[in-house]
Amino acid sequence: GENVEQHPSTLSVQEGDSAVIKCTYSDSASNYFPWYKQELGKRPQLIIDIRSNVGEKKDQRIAVTLNKTAKHFSLHITETQPEDSAVYFCAARPSTSGTYKYIFGTGTRLKVLA
Amino acid sequence: DGGITQSPKYLFRKEGQNVTLSCEQNLNHDAMYWYRQDPGQGLRLIYYSQIVNDFQKGDIAEGYSVSREKKESFPLTVTSAQKNPTAFYLCASSGTGLSQPQHFGDGTRLSIL
Repeated sequence: GENVEQHPSTLSVQEGDSAVIKCTYSDSASNYFPWYKQELGKRPQLIIDIRSNVGEKKDQRIAVTLNKTAKHFSLHITETQPEDSAVYFCAARPSTSGTYKYIFGTGTRLKVLA
Repeated sequence: DGGITQSPKYLFRKEGQNVTLSCEQNLNHDAMYWYRQDPGQGLRLIYYSQIVNDFQKGDIAEGYSVSREKKESFPLTVTSAQKNPTAFYLCASSGTGLSQPQHFGDGTRLSIL
């Protein structure tokens, strides 16, 4: 069935360093890939997204890259800050069968050490 | 997102009791979703609805029920058949066009008394 694998499950970086989180999806028909940040006890919030016809998108310190051939997409955070510490989820939305179901990765707990 | 309201914020269930979690959205979204999140875990889909009066089971629907009588509302009932209901429940909604992200409510934390 449809699946999204996310790695690593935990990531610790020094403040100012970069962080990279990787996801692989199984459904080649997936056409939309959002990333969410969830702080402890709060709602997931969209931080960046990418469509399948785009290879890379950047928003200030955050960027997402997509490799459709490999069915792989990644989140890049540069110049990390303590407030970047949170759990990050990737997701894929399959375009088959008219479904609007999203498949989420299992999350990455990012810790930025001051 | 201010457009999705979940209530209550905290809920306690007694043994053998059904409880209902409320989710209302004013974003004019057709699709609505319920997720369960256990401590330190990811999001697991319980039910979703793509249109009024229609809904589909997600990955962990057993012990839960939903209704979608209005576009704005998608209440979730946790029945007594759900033996381990303690979790953080998140409601979400989305548009049905291409590249429509999900917007989440603030969640309801359910515990057993």
